[in-house]
Parts: sequence; C-alpha cells; structure tokens
Amino acid sequence: DAGITQSPRYKITETGRQVTLMCHQTWSHSYMFWYRQDLGHGLRLIYYSAAADITDKGEVPDGYVVSRSKTENFPLTLESATRSQTSVYFCASSDWGTDTQYFGPGTRLTVL
Amino acid sequence: DAKTTQPPSMDCAEGRAANLPCNHSTISGNEYVYWYRQIHSQGPQYIIHGLKNNETNEMASLIITEDRKSSTLILPHATLRDTAVYYCIVRLYSGGGADGLTFGKGTHLIIQP
Repeated sequence: DAGITQSPRYKITETGRQVTLMCHQTWSHSYMFWYRQDLGHGLRLIYYSAAADITDKGEVPDGYVVSRSKTENFPLTLESATRSQTSVYFCASSDWGTDTQYFGPGTRLTVL
Repeated sequence: DAKTTQPPSMDCAEGRAANLPCNHSTISGNEYVYWYRQIHSQGPQYIIHGLKNNETNEMASLIITEDRKSSTLILPHATLRDTAVYYCIVRLYSGGGADGLTFGKGTHLIIQP
C-alpha cells in the first residue's frame, strides 16, 4: 500500500529554470491538492483538483501550473522558478464523500 | 471556517496521557473539528475528527464539550514519536474534500523521556 508519494524529495534549481514536482497516489482518490509550507506562513494551498482534467486555483497559485490527465497523478510545474518559491511542497489527496486529506512526504525545493 | 486557539507548546512525560486543548468558540452547528499532526520534516498526518460526539480511534480520542466551543485531543500513552506539532482545524463538511485545509500555528507537543 504505497499511498501517496512525491518525487523528487529534494531539489535544487536555479532562478529561471522550469521544474516539475511529481505527486502520485494509489488510492484512486478524486481530490488532490498542492500546498507549500514556509516558516511564518504555515501551509498554503496552491492548486487543487476535483478529478482528472479539473483543476482550480488555491490561495497562492501565481507562478505555478498544474495538470491532471490521470486520476493518480498531479504534477506541479514551476515554469520559471524564483527564489521566493524556495519552500517545502506537500501533495495531498482525499476521497469523494470525505474531507480527510492524506499528505505525501513533501519535496524540499531550493531555488538559487 | 471558525477560528481556533491552541497553546503554542506543551510538555508531557512519556507513557502519560497527553491532553491537547483547542478553543473554537465561534464554531457553527455544521462545522467539524479535525486534528492533524506534523512530525518534523514529514507531511501532516490526519488523526481524528468529530462533530459533537466524542470519538476514539487507534491513535487518539477526541472530546468535544457539550456547547462545542472547545475540544481536547487525548493521546492515551504518549511516546517519544508523538513529539510533533498538532493542529486543530474547524471546517464545514464540504462533501467531497474540495476545499484546502487552513492550518494555524498549532501546539508543539514535546514528549519528555
């Protein structure tokens, strides 16, 4: 039972580069979410998806792009990374009919 | 979602029950109380939730006062691995989990050996 996984776990990139963070869940949950966690801000929602091909913005979507062609995958792309996007990124999923969210282990991204 | 207030930190001896309070005096009738925790460098972990009845699962118990203005999360026999930040979240049931969770500052629980 793999649950929800994220890759890579650690990533260092440079300003202006494109980087994609992967999220994969094995439960066939309908909903998937991307959060970022920074000191002093707690977790903030970036984007979420209610199903394949349905995505919507969260609290802090600027600079990020998401897609969801398959139910189990929800990649997050930083099209042109900036230093302010240095953060820990968490993916989560939840099933239809429940509000309980299950989180992945996180990706620590550093933008130099 | 109703606002919650939690103490910033608490200590508990290993093997004892850890009782984590949460105040949510503005909670409305159809808002649930959820508890999550985050162990250092890991993703948040769901613990338990409830509406008005007390709840228990393999991880913890949730006691909600009759007026629903406060609740207590109980870890019955705390271990060192329970050291984490515990978040109390009050939110409407959305019927499908479409809303992001709003995490406050939580309580940093430190289990002492």
